[in-house]
Amino acid sequence: GAVVSQHPSWVICKSGTSVKIECRSLDFQATTMFWYRQFPKQSLMLMATSNEGSKATYEQGVEKDKFLINHASLTLSTLTVTSAHPEDSSFYICSASLRGGPTDTQYFGPGTRLTVL
Amino acid sequence: GENVEQHPSTLSVQEGDSAVIKCTYSDSASNYFPWYKQELGKRPQLIIDIRSNVGEKKDQRIAVTLNKTAKHFSLHITETQPEDSAVYFCAASNGWKAAGNKLTFGGGTRVLVKP
Repeated sequence: GAVVSQHPSWVICKSGTSVKIECRSLDFQATTMFWYRQFPKQSLMLMATSNEGSKATYEQGVEKDKFLINHASLTLSTLTVTSAHPEDSSFYICSASLRGGPTDTQYFGPGTRLTVL
Repeated sequence: GENVEQHPSTLSVQEGDSAVIKCTYSDSASNYFPWYKQELGKRPQLIIDIRSNVGEKKDQRIAVTLNKTAKHFSLHITETQPEDSAVYFCAASNGWKAAGNKLTFGGGTRVLVKP
């Protein structure tokens, strides 16, 4: 149980284009979804927290107009990297908290590797 | 905000030996401390967690201890096996808020178990 999926698993795009990443909780309803960014050999850095039907809360230093987050339902959140540039290349991972469960336990998706040329 | 320090950054052990990873946190309000294992290119997997009302928790070869006074917690892996090789992350959260709680991660420990 508590499976989180992401799509796509990897994407290569040209500089200036926008890329959308989906995060789905497959067998549970997620109270909250989180988006992280991970550079090679580094830790997970929280980008934003989103609740269904609400605006996302972004961490300091994360541009909300650059990284658009939509949390349309209790099982789906999307991250759109707008006008991507090579420095946006990274491993993006989402996680979800189980509705009705301990709100602090997070289940992670498999990640999306973004490469911007 | 919360700050989590993790040591060591790399750890090499012989198969069968024990491995210990230590983390310290800064926010005394933190009350949930999970440990994640991440293999190369894969998702972080929750391996064990502990809440502030407990001092120690064990699950087979893995144990976690928490010292709230000193604000540090540790992961202990006994009888290490090659498949334990991975990057391990500690994290801290001040849980139980309705809006969901942020995890602050440590920098990670790369564990290599040599056969």
